[in-house]
Amino acid sequence: GNSVTQMEGPVTLSEEAFLTINCTYTATGYPSLFWYVQYPGEGLQLLLKATKADDKGSNKGFEATYRKETTSFHLEKGSVQVSDSAVYFCALSATGGYNKLIFGAGTRLAVHP
Amino acid sequence: GAVVSQHPSRVICKSGTSVKIECRSLDFQATTMFWYRQFPKKSLMLMATSNEGSKATYEQGVEKDKFLINHASLTLSTLTVTSAHPEDSSFYICSARDLGGRETQYFGPGTRLLVL
Repeated sequence: GNSVTQMEGPVTLSEEAFLTINCTYTATGYPSLFWYVQYPGEGLQLLLKATKADDKGSNKGFEATYRKETTSFHLEKGSVQVSDSAVYFCALSATGGYNKLIFGAGTRLAVHP
Repeated sequence: GAVVSQHPSRVICKSGTSVKIECRSLDFQATTMFWYRQFPKKSLMLMATSNEGSKATYEQGVEKDKFLINHASLTLSTLTVTSAHPEDSSFYICSARDLGGRETQYFGPGTRLLVL
């Protein structure tokens, strides 16, 4: 079946450090891939997405590239800020059906000044 | 744009009572809404897919008589937790996909349910 695996957190970084959160997936067909972010006390917000192989999604300095050969969609940011502290969820939307989202377990990021 | 609201944001109820949670798409029409449950420090678990004017599709292991879903209009879906028990305490989140059929789901802020 379809599944998403994320690196376990928490990830603790100093401000301006480089961030990578690994995400790999298992899916039939050609899923779309997403990163969602959940700030403390809030609902999920779409951070970025990619709908086909080699697409790069980007937003707010975050980037992720859809790598079909390695079934990965790793999230990166060159210089994190304290305000980036949140939980990050990788997700896929399988083809067919109602485009149900399948989420990874989430990775908590804590950025310290 | 693309705002989804939930009401209430937080509810405490006694065991055995029923609780209704509303999910509204404020500035777009949603033929499909999704209901998720999130346990502390865990990921979101899809409970059911709600389609306007038809019966909801429940995921395996989710009791449809326990979690009643109604999607009466293109902007409103409700989840009713019937005869709630302490183990139903959780964070319930809805999302909506717009009428245009684009893949992006927009999430509500969630409803925290505590059953005493």
